[in-house]
Amino acid sequence: RKEVEQDPGPFNVPEGATVAFNCTYSNSASQSFFWYRQDCRKEPKLLMSVYSSGNEDGRFTAQLNRASQYISLLIRDSKLSDSATYLCVVFNAGNMLTFGGGTRLMVKP
Amino acid sequence: GAVVSQHPSRVICKSGTSVKIECRSLDFQATTMFWYRQFPKQSLMLMATSNEGSKATYEQGVEKDKFLINHASLTLSTLTVTSAHPEDSSFYICSARGPNDHRADTQYFGPGTRLTVL
Repeated sequence: RKEVEQDPGPFNVPEGATVAFNCTYSNSASQSFFWYRQDCRKEPKLLMSVYSSGNEDGRFTAQLNRASQYISLLIRDSKLSDSATYLCVVFNAGNMLTFGGGTRLMVKP
Repeated sequence: GAVVSQHPSRVICKSGTSVKIECRSLDFQATTMFWYRQFPKQSLMLMATSNEGSKATYEQGVEKDKFLINHASLTLSTLTVTSAHPEDSSFYICSARGPNDHRADTQYFGPGTRLTVL
């Protein structure tokens, strides 16, 4: 079983739609959690951290459920520029980032 | 934010040759650097972790004699792919962290190097 699992997609949505991505992780000792965005042939870039209390940054909302070892990302009012691959990332006690396989989002006009 | 550069951004080489990729931290001292590899439509896989002045720690399944890592200074780490073969074609990404940066969001990524072995 992979340490961080995501639905690879692609998710094809129209502009303005709301889309949600999920991620599960296997290591219950994982310390912190993040969503990264990666554009084609580019390096990943930190989108936001994920907290149990939930956190929101504009149109993006992230949520962590430690009991279920589940992380989510909600994007409201999708823009064409949101098209990218979204990586669920877990930070463990070994001070290392473990990346999920990514979920590809395509926002269409 | 902190800046990490990689050179070259793209390289095409013949099978059997060696290729060196540089990773530099431009405005901070990187005590730890990480090397990742990403195959098409797959996620980043950590290859090795290097601390300045010491030998790199390789992940399971990564051949240390094939992927030579040197981290001789606080601003530069190099990855040399020796005797490259077509299956080594991939996107290689480095990241760097400073001495007081123990949070995941203070690990800064380079722009990546796309290696194509013919």
